[in-house]
Amino acid sequence: GEDVEQSLFLSVREGDSSVINCTYTDSSSTYLYWYKQEPGAGLQLLTYIFSNMDMKQDQRLTVLLNKKDKHLSLRIADTQTGDSAIYFCAETPSYSSASKIIFGSGTRLSIRP
Amino acid sequence: GAVVSQHPSRVICKSGTSVKIECRSLDFQATTMFWYRQFPKQSLMLMATSNEGSKATYEQGVEKDKFLINHASLTLSTLTVTSAHPEDSSFYICSAYREPAGELFFGEGSRLTVL
Repeated sequence: GEDVEQSLFLSVREGDSSVINCTYTDSSSTYLYWYKQEPGAGLQLLTYIFSNMDMKQDQRLTVLLNKKDKHLSLRIADTQTGDSAIYFCAETPSYSSASKIIFGSGTRLSIRP
Repeated sequence: GAVVSQHPSRVICKSGTSVKIECRSLDFQATTMFWYRQFPKQSLMLMATSNEGSKATYEQGVEKDKFLINHASLTLSTLTVTSAHPEDSSFYICSAYREPAGELFFGEGSRLTVL
C-alpha cells in the first residue's frame, strides 16, 4: 500500500537552511504537500507540487521533487525561530480527485541559536 | 486565502456524554471534507471522508456509530463523538478539499478531553 516516510527530527542553527526530506511509495501520486503544525494547532498548508513538476519556489520555501527516486524535499532558507514546528509530507494518488491523503510521520524541526 | 474553521477548539466533557465538533470552509465550497484524529506526537489518522449530501465513508477500524459525521451543506461538516469515553480523548482535525486546484486546507483542530 501507500507509504510516506520522513525522519523524525531535524535541528538547525538559526539563519541556516533547513532541508526536510520525504520518500513515498505510490508512483501514481498526483499532488505532494508540505504542511506545518505548530504546538497544539492544526495543520497549515505551506506548499504543494504537482507530480509533473520538478521544483517549486515560494519565498523562503523551495520544494524539489525527484519522481524517479520518489523523493520530495522542503528547503527553508534563512531558518528562523518561528519555523520551529512539525512538518508533514503528504501525498494523494491520482485515481480519485478527492481521495484520502497519506501523511508521513512528521519531522520535528528545532532551531538552535 | 482559503480558511477552514473548527469549533470548538477545546472541549471537556463527562464520560457518557456526546460532543459535536463543527468544521466550516469559510470562503469556498467543499463537497468533500475529511476528519482525522491525532494522538500525541503522532501523525494524523484519517477517520472518515465526509461527502456533502451522502453518507460518510469510514476508514477500517473506525466505528461509524461512535463517530457520527454529517455533511449537511457545502460549507459545513460535523463530527459527533457519541457516548464519549476517556480513550476518545484526542486532537481531532478536519480538512476541506478545494477543487479544482486540489488544495487541502485544515482546520485548527479540536482538543477533546473526556473525564
